[in-house]
Amino acid sequence: EDKVVQSPLSLVVHEGDTVTLNCSYEVTNFRSLLWYKQEKKAPTFLFMLTSSGIEKKSGRLSSILDKKELFSILNITATQTGDSAVYLCAVILTGGGNKLTFGTGTQLKVEL
Amino acid sequence: DGGITQSPKYLFRKEGQNVTLSCEQNLNHDAMYWYRQDPGQGLRLIYYSQIVNDFQKGDIAEGYSVSREKKESFPLTVTSAQKNPTAFYLCASSSDRGPGGYQPQHFGDGTRLSIL
Repeated sequence: EDKVVQSPLSLVVHEGDTVTLNCSYEVTNFRSLLWYKQEKKAPTFLFMLTSSGIEKKSGRLSSILDKKELFSILNITATQTGDSAVYLCAVILTGGGNKLTFGTGTQLKVEL
Repeated sequence: DGGITQSPKYLFRKEGQNVTLSCEQNLNHDAMYWYRQDPGQGLRLIYYSQIVNDFQKGDIAEGYSVSREKKESFPLTVTSAQKNPTAFYLCASSSDRGPGGYQPQHFGDGTRLSIL
């Protein structure tokens, strides 16, 4: 059975801290891994990672994939209260209609 | 603006009643998806459709039905056979065109379904 596991399940930090969110996967026919941010409603796309070792960056957020060890991390530097959200990791498999298999998410709360 | 519209935002169902959740997209995407999200859990796939007039079951299709008569629309019916329908339902769409043959899924704002 395909599995995506995120850790920690929840996290509380102070503004300005740096956080690292983890996502490991055990799937057959891996194609890509995606990160989404979900505040109240619709998840919004952050990154899609297909190749190992290539860091993707967007402002204070960055992510990298390790296909040998089967995990990805999402880093957020200089956190702000607006970063408070659930961060979802999902995996796409080859074949099968580009379905996403999601992890349970990490609930991040950034306090003043 | 292009996007995905789900309606209604909130829906209440009586016992034994079927209800239909609407999902419309104007992104010209071929593929559409329905997910269910329960508190403290990730999204689970109910049904998906890669092309008009065709759809496949996801991981938790029991108690649900869909149709795909138009490219823009992918309604989900929660039937009385779904014994625990209270959840947040998210619709998504994606295109398989572009680099790598896949574009990330875009999501609607969701429908929150509750049982009366």
